[in-house]
Amino acid sequence: GAGVSQSPSNKVTEKGKDVELRCDPISGHTALYWYRQSLGQGLEFLIYFQGNSAPDKSGLPSDRFSAERTGGSVSTLTIQRTQQEDSAVYLCASSLGLAQNIQYFGAGTRLSVL
Amino acid sequence: GDSVTQMEGPVTLSEEAFLTINCTYTATGYPSLFWYVQYPGEGLQLLLKATKADDKGSNKGFEATYRKETTSFHLEKGSVQVSDSAVYFCALSDPDFGNEKLTFGTGTRLTIIP
Repeated sequence: GAGVSQSPSNKVTEKGKDVELRCDPISGHTALYWYRQSLGQGLEFLIYFQGNSAPDKSGLPSDRFSAERTGGSVSTLTIQRTQQEDSAVYLCASSLGLAQNIQYFGAGTRLSVL
Repeated sequence: GDSVTQMEGPVTLSEEAFLTINCTYTATGYPSLFWYVQYPGEGLQLLLKATKADDKGSNKGFEATYRKETTSFHLEKGSVQVSDSAVYFCALSDPDFGNEKLTFGTGTRLTIIP
């Protein structure tokens, strides 16, 4: 079946603009995670969804970052007033949401802020 | 907080050489441990996992044993191939978080030369 799909695959934006990154998880996966992969910080957790609620937002780096999930499926990560330090690869993963379940990752969205 | 420390790269080996990539962790609970691999141009894939002390994860000739006494999860392979060239990430998930979010090491880039 289809894996985790992320769009766009690449996004170039100007500093100060807002961007939206989309994640389509594997069908039936109730848990969804966003991570960021950057040169300076490595791979870091951003936010976790169980269904449509986000019980763990502890990794969001600032209030410019927000995310939502609708219908227990698609999730959107929004970055407002982008800064150059937001340049990174944003990865989405989904899992069945049960203990010790495997997370399946999308190919990521490479964001470049000029 | 929880953390994962893994061997700095890059690592370059000849084909058929023995591989070890060291990984140690710090966690408040009893974490599950993982090795993920990122092949060139592809997304993160789970390579192997272990969920409790003394468990051995294995896949594609790679092995890692969960050592609670040394808080380690070193990755080994007896004879590497050119196709093993990739970036390898050690990671943990800690049930004390209340979800399965992953804490990653910095990654080790492995290059195998024929």
